[in-house]
Amino acid sequence: DAGVIQSPRHEVTEMGQEVTLRCKPISGHDYLFWYRQTMMRGLELLIYFNNNVPIDDSGMPEDRFSAKMPNASFSTLKIQPSEPRDSAVYFCASSKQGFGSTEAFFGQGTRLTVV
Amino acid sequence: GEDVEQSLFLSVREGDSSVINCTYTDSSSTYLYWYKQEPGAGLQLLTYIFSNMDMKQDQRLTVLLNKKDKHLSLRIADTQTGDSAIYFCAERAGNNRKLIWGLGTSLAVNP
Repeated sequence: DAGVIQSPRHEVTEMGQEVTLRCKPISGHDYLFWYRQTMMRGLELLIYFNNNVPIDDSGMPEDRFSAKMPNASFSTLKIQPSEPRDSAVYFCASSKQGFGSTEAFFGQGTRLTVV
Repeated sequence: GEDVEQSLFLSVREGDSSVINCTYTDSSSTYLYWYKQEPGAGLQLLTYIFSNMDMKQDQRLTVLLNKKDKHLSLRIADTQTGDSAIYFCAERAGNNRKLIWGLGTSLAVNP
């Protein structure tokens, strides 16, 4: 398996524009997580899905952020309108359902710069 | 609320042992993890320990868990320049899939 695939790897956009980040989880994984990483706040969980259903979106900063998972192999995180303070690295991760350690596998991340 | 704390920086000489420390507050933690992040990359699981264990060894890595003090450590023996990275401590409570993360410890290995 190729692992968790995120696109684009880098995104530079102007303030006010819509930004869509994409993620393809590992096949067979039931959980998908969206994280944001900044120097100031570290790694923050934004939202996670189980079997394509959002379970906990308490980390989504505000209404400008939305996430969808239309099927088991694709998820998007959308920011509309984007602001400079949204600049960060956004990670997608997936894991399998079940007992035990259930390791989360991370994608390479999307570095977003809003100017 | 739940919290995980780590020191932000650690510098060691090549060949020495590195010890990265972490404290957490949630007494219901079931699994505790160490993840490694190399520059420009995502996080990779290094090792984990179940809360009923005190120690886990995996080649150069030794994890110690003091549940009473809610203290977790990661020891890397014979540290190499390739070990330079950010190391994250994370905890999971019960069957909850949500992990609580520390801010990460940046390990610099000097030749």
